[in-house]
Amino acid sequence: GENVEQHPSTLSVQEGDSAVIKCTYSDSASNYFPWYKQELGKRPQLIIDIRSNVGEKKDQRIAVTLNKTAKHFSLHITETQPEDSAVYFCAALNQGGKLIFGQGTELSVKP
Amino acid sequence: EAGVTQSPTHLIKTRGQQATLRCSPISGHTSVYWYQQALGLGLQFLLWYDEGEERNRGNFPPRFSGRQFPNYSSELNVNALELEDSALYLCASSLVPSGYYNEQFFGPGTRLTVL
Repeated sequence: GENVEQHPSTLSVQEGDSAVIKCTYSDSASNYFPWYKQELGKRPQLIIDIRSNVGEKKDQRIAVTLNKTAKHFSLHITETQPEDSAVYFCAALNQGGKLIFGQGTELSVKP
Repeated sequence: EAGVTQSPTHLIKTRGQQATLRCSPISGHTSVYWYQQALGLGLQFLLWYDEGEERNRGNFPPRFSGRQFPNYSSELNVNALELEDSALYLCASSLVPSGYYNEQFFGPGTRLTVL
């Protein structure tokens, strides 16, 4: 079946440290992997995405890596700041056009 | 450019009633998606509409249904409400149909409470 596993469910880091969130997907035909950030009481917003023909993508302090063979993809946030505190969701687009989301990671950045 | 809008913001119903939630996509977007976000859970895919047609649906019972209008706005209907239907219902839209690597923009959601 279609499934996206996301770990960890909660992550607490000190300001300035790095944070890594990992996801595994089950549908080998998945070809698009977005990451969304959802602050408390707000709508999810796209922060970065990657297509299956690319292994890594970086945007300032945020990077995403994709290992298609292992069906893993990860979000890396460097030099974390308190405003990075939020729930982060990974997702994988399956062959039927469904965007399957992970369960979310609650990131807390302590000043 | 206005974002995705949803109405109402909050909706309170009792068991067995019907709920209707509405979504207006970003101008020019033809695809609309519905997700359920229950407390403490991730986003669960409900329905995808494009050009007025239902393209795919998630693992939800038939009492969850919807439609897309000629102006691309959409409606989600939930019949015979159950307590576990209480959740935040998010609508998203995209410029082209899902499957072409394009971003889905989310609305603010409708908080449905079933008593």
